[in-house]
Amino acid sequence: SQQGEEDPQALSIQEGENATMNCSYKTSINNLQWYRQNSGRGLVHLILIRSNEREKHSGRLRVTLDTSKKSSSLLITASRAADTASYFCATDRGGGSYIPTFGRGTSLIVHP
Amino acid sequence: DAGVIQSPRHEVTEMGQEVTLRCKPISGHNSLFWYRQTMMRGLELLIYFNNNVPIDDSGMPEDRFSAKMPNASFSTLKIQPSEPRDSAVYFCASSLTGASTEAFFGQGTRLTVV
Repeated sequence: SQQGEEDPQALSIQEGENATMNCSYKTSINNLQWYRQNSGRGLVHLILIRSNEREKHSGRLRVTLDTSKKSSSLLITASRAADTASYFCATDRGGGSYIPTFGRGTSLIVHP
Repeated sequence: DAGVIQSPRHEVTEMGQEVTLRCKPISGHNSLFWYRQTMMRGLELLIYFNNNVPIDDSGMPEDRFSAKMPNASFSTLKIQPSEPRDSAVYFCASSLTGASTEAFFGQGTRLTVV
């Protein structure tokens, strides 16, 4: 069964706008990760946030984690056409399990 | 390191044939994952190896699927006999076991069973 689910399923914005994607999960976790997948390619790791962290930044990416609500968000600021891709959150199963389990992803289209 | 290497990139086979997908993980990584991606079901974990030992194979669809990891630098996923519903993109990923490590993905094998 899938642990995390992204929302929305699809997002279409103009270049320069911010893009926000959300992820909800079901059980306790050790960490939550966000990945990106360009069409026809493998997934690429973007950022990891531990369960005891609330916010993390990496370049134009900002990730938040609310363990009480079992949710996370990924914000891409000042989006570019090159950000067009699918974005996935991955959670582990908590405890001693570090197996990344993925949601269905958010498909982001950034129009130039 | 060249990253996780999967072969072949594309495979087209007839129903009933045996298919073998191959994966070379990143040197030094001790966790290896096989995933399957379809539009209907998203990205599903098939099997997880740690230190070459299968730890979790609960995602393997049925007995037609088998996976091996004979050594730290090679793994195979075999489907015998293949069926059209096995058509998907199969990804191999590797990582260092632990709470703060990312998984590195290969480019995937696009399997089409006709």
